[in-house]
Amino acid sequence: GAGVSQTPSNKVTEKGKYVELRCDPISGHTALYWYRQSLGQGPEFLIYFQGTGAADDSGLPNDRFFAVRPEGSVSTLKIQRTERGDSAVYLCASSRPTSGLYNEQFFGPGTRLTVL
Amino acid sequence: EDQVTQSPEALRLQEGESSSLNCSYTVSGLRGLFWYRQDPGKGPEFLFTLYSAGEEKEKERLKATLTKKESFLHITAPKPEDSATYLCAVQDRVRGSRLTFGEGTQLTVNP
Repeated sequence: GAGVSQTPSNKVTEKGKYVELRCDPISGHTALYWYRQSLGQGPEFLIYFQGTGAADDSGLPNDRFFAVRPEGSVSTLKIQRTERGDSAVYLCASSRPTSGLYNEQFFGPGTRLTVL
Repeated sequence: EDQVTQSPEALRLQEGESSSLNCSYTVSGLRGLFWYRQDPGKGPEFLFTLYSAGEEKEKERLKATLTKKESFLHITAPKPEDSATYLCAVQDRVRGSRLTFGEGTQLTVNP
């Protein structure tokens, strides 16, 4: 069975540019999450989708960050006017519906973003 | 605000030398405590979920336990392939589904 996939695996961009990171969740998982992980740190929550809508976007650091999930499956994290401080590994996770137990989050391999 | 503190930051063991990793947490109503393993350059791999104090779960050489303030990940007779960073995370009843992670314990098992 396929796990969570993320593309690209690596992205190098210049300060000020726009980037899009893609996440393809496990089939049948209605919940999707984005986290950001800096070197030597644990993942930090960014945003959570239940279906097509963002149920919790309180972790997005500022309005340069935006995420969509138009059909309730694939999600795209969009970063405008990138800054060097945005450099990190961006992780996507998915889970079954979160209303009950057994809602473990399964992570993809991440996209390593480097802003020069 | 939820807080998770893991100790030690790094741990070196000889193969077969058992030990424990600690995860202390502060949360407004625990919904679940999660342990993950992360290898370099990869995403976290799910290990266990614990829901209430006194609960224990085992998988091969790993055993996770939970109290009202902390969780332990016990590693019995570790092997070099157990070398990884172990992450602890909590989920609370107020904010629902987001995970709050600790900084992890980097475990190295020497042959």
